[in-house]
Amino acid sequence: AQSVTQLGSHVSVSEGALVLLRCNYSSSVPPYLFWYVQYPNQGLQLLLKYTTGATLVKGINGFEAEFKKSETSFHLTKPSAHMSDAAEYFCAVTPNSGNTPLVFGKGTRLSVIA
Amino acid sequence: DVKVTQSSRYLVKRTGEKVFLECVQDMDHENMFWYRQDPGLGLRLIYFSYDVKMKEKGDIPEGYSVSREKKERFSLILESASTNQTSMYLCASSSRGRSPLHFGNGTRLTVT
Repeated sequence: AQSVTQLGSHVSVSEGALVLLRCNYSSSVPPYLFWYVQYPNQGLQLLLKYTTGATLVKGINGFEAEFKKSETSFHLTKPSAHMSDAAEYFCAVTPNSGNTPLVFGKGTRLSVIA
Repeated sequence: DVKVTQSSRYLVKRTGEKVFLECVQDMDHENMFWYRQDPGLGLRLIYFSYDVKMKEKGDIPEGYSVSREKKERFSLILESASTNQTSMYLCASSSRGRSPLHFGNGTRLTVT
């Protein structure tokens, strides 16, 4: 069965600092991986996704993530945090076979300090 | 842009009431999902559907049922609401296969 672990339920960074949100997954087959963001009182929206091919994936709002098969990781990064990045971030995995629902991590709340 | 619309943003119901949460998507997506979101627990899948009149149990189906009579509409039903069903409910849809989910804005349900 697939699973997702997000290290750190809450991460706090200063404005302008590097953002690093960690995600590790387990999957018995090559996965599809996703990062979603949730702003207060809203649903989730897709930040970026990895399916196949290039392992460094760029998303919206300056975020990117790198798929590392050997480490079973898909960490999300942004070089310089902005106040508007404060939100909750979810990593999700689905196996590359069948029509299987996404499995989500428990989320990481990002705070950005001025 | 895909639009997933949930009928209510906030809902307050009494224990024992039958509750209907409605979700409509406008992109002809085959797949539809209901999640609940609770602090510290992330998103948990309640039910999903890959086609009209078809439903599959997710991780936490107890106390819930669903209905999908039309492709664009997926309803979540709480047969007899209980206080432990107080939560944020999120509906999502996607096209066939391993496509990204598109979420509605959620319904915050309070059961008193």
